[in-house]
Amino acid sequence: GAVVSQHPSWVICKSGTSVKIECRSLDFQATTMFWYRQFPKQSLMLMATSNEGSKATYEQGVEKDKFLINHASLTLSTLTVTSAHPEDSSFYICSARDVEGADNSPLHFGNGTRLTVT
Amino acid sequence: GQNIDQPTEMTATEGAIVQINCTYQTSGFNGLFWYQQHAGEAPTFLSYNVLDGLEEKGRFSSFLSRSKGYSYLLLKELQMKDSASYLCAAVDSNYQLIWGAGTKLIIKP
Repeated sequence: GAVVSQHPSWVICKSGTSVKIECRSLDFQATTMFWYRQFPKQSLMLMATSNEGSKATYEQGVEKDKFLINHASLTLSTLTVTSAHPEDSSFYICSARDVEGADNSPLHFGNGTRLTVT
Repeated sequence: GQNIDQPTEMTATEGAIVQINCTYQTSGFNGLFWYQQHAGEAPTFLSYNVLDGLEEKGRFSSFLSRSKGYSYLLLKELQMKDSASYLCAAVDSNYQLIWGAGTKLIIKP
């Protein structure tokens, strides 16, 4: 089945530093990847839609200069949390849909990244 | 606006049956997903319904009524490993996923 690899699984960083999270589709190509954030006991919140070769589309309330997204190839998207603060501590999850799949085909999720900012 | 409602938490007994309901209001509709999410892990796909009726897949079944804006996930022969959150997500006219807050299912021996 389709596999999405997300790295790192967890990261602890100091306030003010930047953290990069990678999301790779291992056995399929994805023109579009989605980045979610999930706080404890809450549902997934879509942060942005990453489009290969073009700018990401950010959801309302998500700062594009703080959460930098790069989708340089059909198999890799990165999310960089710049100048992280404790309130950015959360579970970040990427997902992707096979480029050959329909728009309503299931999303394949990465295993998530637990970010803790101290 | 667009909205998904599902119960926050449910408790059931090992070996029993449980039904998790989901109601939705979206701008257009292109199907509904159910995902399972264990604590600290990413969601995994369970089912997708776009036509009315019941779809059975092993111990899990999913039902959809488009006219009522209603779906349910039915879990049979519950096992302890079924303890997880179950997320309902509807696909709107732009093929965007509208996520519910999830239902935490607690299985007791």
